[in-house]
Amino acid sequence: TQLLEQSPQFLSIQEGENLTVYCNSSSVFSSLQWYRQEPGEGPVLLVTVVTGGEVKKLKRLTFQFGDARKDSSLHITAAQPGDTGLYLCAGEDTGNQFYFGTGTSLTVIP
Amino acid sequence: DAGVTQSPTHLIKTRGQHVTLRCSPISGHKSVSWYQQVLGQGPQFIFQYYEKEERGRGNFPDRFSARQFPNYSSELNVNALLLGDSALYLCASLTATKNTGELFFGEGSRLTVL
Repeated sequence: TQLLEQSPQFLSIQEGENLTVYCNSSSVFSSLQWYRQEPGEGPVLLVTVVTGGEVKKLKRLTFQFGDARKDSSLHITAAQPGDTGLYLCAGEDTGNQFYFGTGTSLTVIP
Repeated sequence: DAGVTQSPTHLIKTRGQHVTLRCSPISGHKSVSWYQQVLGQGPQFIFQYYEKEERGRGNFPDRFSARQFPNYSSELNVNALLLGDSALYLCASLTATKNTGELFFGEGSRLTVL
């Protein structure tokens, strides 16, 4: 079992604040993905990072893959209420199997 | 194009009963994965199928089984239901490139066991 721990588990912030979510594991992954899930829906892919040390930006979201490909972070700048949701990291093994993190529930208060 | 479709969307069962959940992947996708998601937590991997063959199995008891059909649709079966089986069951179809894959999820089947 490949375990990915996310922190924090819950996060409630005011609109306009910045935040960082962490995803840590003892396992090495061929890629790491971040998903966002809204109530009543399935997770939706935000980004895939493949190379150790890789940084990707998606508008106000910045994703980083650790050098050893075991951990990742998601940073949101100037959070908006539309960013509210459950953020999930997922590590992919060499067999295209994905193992999800414990999740971070984000609430952005207007 | 239709996304991943799952049925039923909601269902209620009692302990000891069995349930069958169905999933149709995105057209052209040959791999299907099943996940169990307890409220507020991340999805837990149950099974992965590719071309009708099981490619992976998570840490779930033998009460859980699945299969994939020639048209790549899939069924997840759970026997002898327990209260703890109450969860959102997600199906995802996978598209894979040389370097990585991407999961496309359905909206899930929410199972309540009473």
